[in-house]
Amino acid sequence: AAGVIQSPRHLIKEKRETATLKCYPIPRHDTVYWYQQGPGQDPQFLISFYEKMQSDKGSIPDRFSAQQFSDYHSELNMSSLELGDSALYFCASSPPGFGGHTDTQYFGPGTRLTVL
Amino acid sequence: DAKTTQPNSMESNEEEPVHLPCNHSTISGTDYIHWYRQLPSQGPEYVIHGLTSNVNNRMASLAIAEDRKSSTLILHRATLRDAAVYYCICRGSNYKLTFGKGTLLTVNP
Repeated sequence: AAGVIQSPRHLIKEKRETATLKCYPIPRHDTVYWYQQGPGQDPQFLISFYEKMQSDKGSIPDRFSAQQFSDYHSELNMSSLELGDSALYFCASSPPGFGGHTDTQYFGPGTRLTVL
Repeated sequence: DAKTTQPNSMESNEEEPVHLPCNHSTISGTDYIHWYRQLPSQGPEYVIHGLTSNVNNRMASLAIAEDRKSSTLILHRATLRDAAVYYCICRGSNYKLTFGKGTLLTVNP
């Protein structure tokens, strides 16, 4: 079965550079979520989109922005990168349904971002 | 979302059942109880969820206390591939998953 695709899988950037992470949800899934997992930490919710509109927002820095496109893929744009942004970034998607607290989220393999 | 409390770690032997507890004493009436797990170097993976009644699927069973203040994830026969961090999440009427400090399950051969 098709899974969530994330690209790139690994990314190395210098401080103050920008990075763009991409997420391709499972076909026909209309909701996308982004999570950040720092070294030795638990995943933390950043932001989500439902039908191309932002549906929920977590502790996402102002330096980060995201959007969902007409084909439902999503991009997380990160500017003025800091050392503390080094983390695994997971994207998840969920299928159309009642929405919210009963949906199953399917996670991608993650993008490992290293900021030097 | 209601706060959850889980043991930091648990150990099991292969082929034996595992009972992973979770306390969520401040759960609201409409919160669903979700379990996800994260295998090493992988993204989280859905395991099971429920509201009030016990639930079974091909991966596990979820036993929910009558007062809903606690729940237990049951793996009927642990395998080495079940070694992971297991997260219990109380999910309100929003989209996000709020991961707390899960339980690291070690399975011994």
